[in-house]
Amino acid sequence: AQTVTQSQPEMSVQEAETVTLSCTYDTSESDYYLFWYKQPPSRQMILVIRQEAYKQQNATENRFSVNFQKAAKSFSLKISDSQLGDAAMYFCAYIRGDSSYKLIFGSGTRLLVRP
Amino acid sequence: DTGVSQNPRHKITKRGQNVTFRCDPISEHNRLYWYRQTLGQGPEFLTYFQNEAQLEKSRLLSDRFSAERPKGSFSTLEIQRTEQGDSAMYLCASSRTGQGGNTIYFGEGSWLTVV
Repeated sequence: AQTVTQSQPEMSVQEAETVTLSCTYDTSESDYYLFWYKQPPSRQMILVIRQEAYKQQNATENRFSVNFQKAAKSFSLKISDSQLGDAAMYFCAYIRGDSSYKLIFGSGTRLLVRP
Repeated sequence: DTGVSQNPRHKITKRGQNVTFRCDPISEHNRLYWYRQTLGQGPEFLTYFQNEAQLEKSRLLSDRFSAERPKGSFSTLEIQRTEQGDSAMYLCASSRTGQGGNTIYFGEGSWLTVV
């Protein structure tokens, strides 16, 4: 069974600094996708970034980028120039490519941003 | 896109009562999902529709839970004879088949409190 692990329950970063959130996953599949979702206090799950497993190039979206290490099954999220609005729960998630209906989430990392 | 819409956003009900939540997916998204999230946890998959067909149900979905998606548009999730353990946020999400179809977009969720 596929699993997603986020080992950092909480992280803190100074505004304008850079922070990296960790995620590891376990799968025997070769075709899959990985995501980072942000959940602010309003509770809506917002897609931050997506990575296809077959792509070697790390995904980037403005201040957000990932470090995808397929062999190590690691998928970390780097947030550059942190802003107060980045404060939220961040969830790493996995989905198989051939049965793309079941997202498997990690337990989340709460990010605090200090002004 | 107007996004995934859910209502009601909050529901407080007495134990033993029935509740129903509605979800309107992003237009032209043929896939619709229900997830459940309790405090401090990542969302857990409940069920999945492709068009009007319910193709997968989690073991979390007891016989008190029923979901429908008539005509492949909006969906309803009904919980009968609610129990305190049903208190959670119920998230609806949608996606489309084809390119980018593995990306799932979430609504704002419906909070259920059973007293």
